[in-house]
Amino acid sequence: DAKTTQPTSMDCAEGRAANLPCNHSTISGNEYVYWYRQIHSQGPQYIIHGLKNNETNEMASLIITEDRKSSTLILPHATLRDTAVYYCIVRLRYGGSQGNLIFGKGTKLSVKP
Amino acid sequence: DGGITQSPKYLFRKEGQNVTLSCEQNLNHDAMYWYRQDPGQGLRLIYYSQIVNDFQKGDIAEGYSVSREKKESFPLTVTSAQKNPTAFYLCASSIFGDRGGVGEQFFGPGTRLTVL
Repeated sequence: DAKTTQPTSMDCAEGRAANLPCNHSTISGNEYVYWYRQIHSQGPQYIIHGLKNNETNEMASLIITEDRKSSTLILPHATLRDTAVYYCIVRLRYGGSQGNLIFGKGTKLSVKP
Repeated sequence: DGGITQSPKYLFRKEGQNVTLSCEQNLNHDAMYWYRQDPGQGLRLIYYSQIVNDFQKGDIAEGYSVSREKKESFPLTVTSAQKNPTAFYLCASSIFGDRGGVGEQFFGPGTRLTVL
């Protein structure tokens, strides 16, 4: 079972920031938060990951709460091409696990003109 | 260009026939994975391989088989024993040995298999 809880769907206006929440209340100290997205009928695409500090890359920002029980993925200026299902995944990054990603149902983000 | 290729994009087979899905990567990744996705659902792991000539069952391996004779290739065979083979199949790869673990997974474009 997925260790995360996400809303089923969200809408966002084009050009505005899209904030996608994720709850992971049972996260352990050595587990990372990963975000992937899947555009319809394509393979998932890695977006970003983090442990406890906020992270930013060219695609998005990841804000993790201090207790690490939840996080938010931020797409700063959403475009129509950001319409996709966004998956929040918790897993070990190094050692032990074979790195298996457990995908839940994700959040269907619809960016509207 | 480096990447993962899966072929074909669409595949149709008659019930009772085995079918092999191709997955090739030129990213020099050690680890490779096969997932299955059903409509409106997340991905489920079928098999994974951390190194050549070694592979492990995932969560839903029954009715599937794999081989890993080369680092670049990880073909998946959907056998007649798989009760509901119609699905979207995704292959992925990741670096192995990064501090002894695995890195981010990179996915291929997928193969949509329909069994008639």
